[in-house]
Amino acid sequence: GDSVTQMEGPVTLSEEAFLTINCTYTATGYPSLFWYVQYPGEGLQLLLKATKADDKGSNKGFEATYRKETTSFHLEKGSVQVSDSAVYFCALSDQNRGSTLGRLYFGRGTQLTVWP
Amino acid sequence: DGGITQSPKYLFRKEGQNVTLSCEQNLNHDAMYWYRQDPGQGLRLIYYSQIVNDFQKGDIAEGYSVSREKKESFPLTVTSAQKNPTAFYLCASKGSVATTEAFFGQGTRLTVV
Repeated sequence: GDSVTQMEGPVTLSEEAFLTINCTYTATGYPSLFWYVQYPGEGLQLLLKATKADDKGSNKGFEATYRKETTSFHLEKGSVQVSDSAVYFCALSDQNRGSTLGRLYFGRGTQLTVWP
Repeated sequence: DGGITQSPKYLFRKEGQNVTLSCEQNLNHDAMYWYRQDPGQGLRLIYYSQIVNDFQKGDIAEGYSVSREKKESFPLTVTSAQKNPTAFYLCASKGSVATTEAFFGQGTRLTVV
């Protein structure tokens, strides 16, 4: 079945360091891929998304490219800030088959802590 | 403003009691989801619904029940059969196209006392 595997962490970085959080997926169709961010005690917020192969999603300095050949959607940021400290989730939405919306699949989440 | 509202934010339950968590959305979304989040375990799907009066079990449905009588509402009942209900519960909704993202509520933290 469909699934998402992401680097579990925790990841600890100094401010202005480069960030990579790895995410790979397994899917039988052509899923849409997402990164969500969760701040302490809150729900998840969409960070970025990509809906087809070679698409690049970007937002707030974060980027991720949908790589079908490697079934990956790694999250990157060139210079992290203290305010980026949060838990990051990779997710996929499986293909819409007819009237079926399908379900969402999430990775386990990666805790990022950025020190000043 | 459109969004998803979960209530209450904090809920305390005595052992053996049933409790119901509310989830309401005004985004006109067809699909709604309930997830449970425990430390270090990510999000686990409890139930989901793709249309009114229909819902499917997720990966950890035992001890939970849901209803979907209205498009905008998807309440979750945590029954006494759920042996370890203390967790953070998240509700989400999603539009009718596979490429659209899910929107999440702020969550309900349930504690058994």
